[in-house]
Amino acid sequence: GAGVSQSPRYKVAKRGQDVALRCDPISGHVSLFWYQQALGQGPEFLTYFQNEAQLDKSGLPSDRFFAERPEGSVSTLKIQRTQQEDSAVYLCASSLFSGGGGELFFGEGSRLTVL
Amino acid sequence: KQEVTQIPAALSVPEGENLVLNCSFTDSAIYNLQWFRQDPGKGLTSLLLIQSSQREQTSGRLNASLDKSSGRSTLYIAASQPGDSATYLCAVRPGNNDMRFGAGTRLTVKP
Repeated sequence: GAGVSQSPRYKVAKRGQDVALRCDPISGHVSLFWYQQALGQGPEFLTYFQNEAQLDKSGLPSDRFFAERPEGSVSTLKIQRTQQEDSAVYLCASSLFSGGGGELFFGEGSRLTVL
Repeated sequence: KQEVTQIPAALSVPEGENLVLNCSFTDSAIYNLQWFRQDPGKGLTSLLLIQSSQREQTSGRLNASLDKSSGRSTLYIAASQPGDSATYLCAVRPGNNDMRFGAGTRLTVKP
């Protein structure tokens, strides 16, 4: 597609529910990133994929968070047993290159509210 | 750990004014620096990307500079317009896998 697409745009979950957030990167982009953005803050890094390989997951806050990109294109961020502190906007970004010099393009984000 | 700071946190200016947003980072070992714009409830729109070997980039009324040795970048907006009202985020790329963001500057341009 023309840009990075994320779904759902909005998700309300009851505490304890599992959620799955989807990211469709720009076609052909090698690198894919997930970020978490709390209200009034800058995005915080969660995890990074180069094609289908998850090369860095150091930003995932707990083992309830899991991300995958099985075919090197679409990625899913899964949060198990959601808690109120998981409420945030989850942003996905992609980049054409695998090196550090590439420009990042972001999706509109998925806003998660945990009640 | 790379820390990115943006000053001021919020800025309000009358239409037509030229303005400067500041970004500082603690570790000069970066691949690049990118400025983004974020409108309320929206994702991030890339404005300018400056590679580590570059000193500045320009796009329309926007000019971004990079002084890697002092850990500073500025975003200059000329002849500001109400449509420029948004949060401006600065981010540095310390490695392949990561991008570190500041908390942003919330800009309001009054008609």
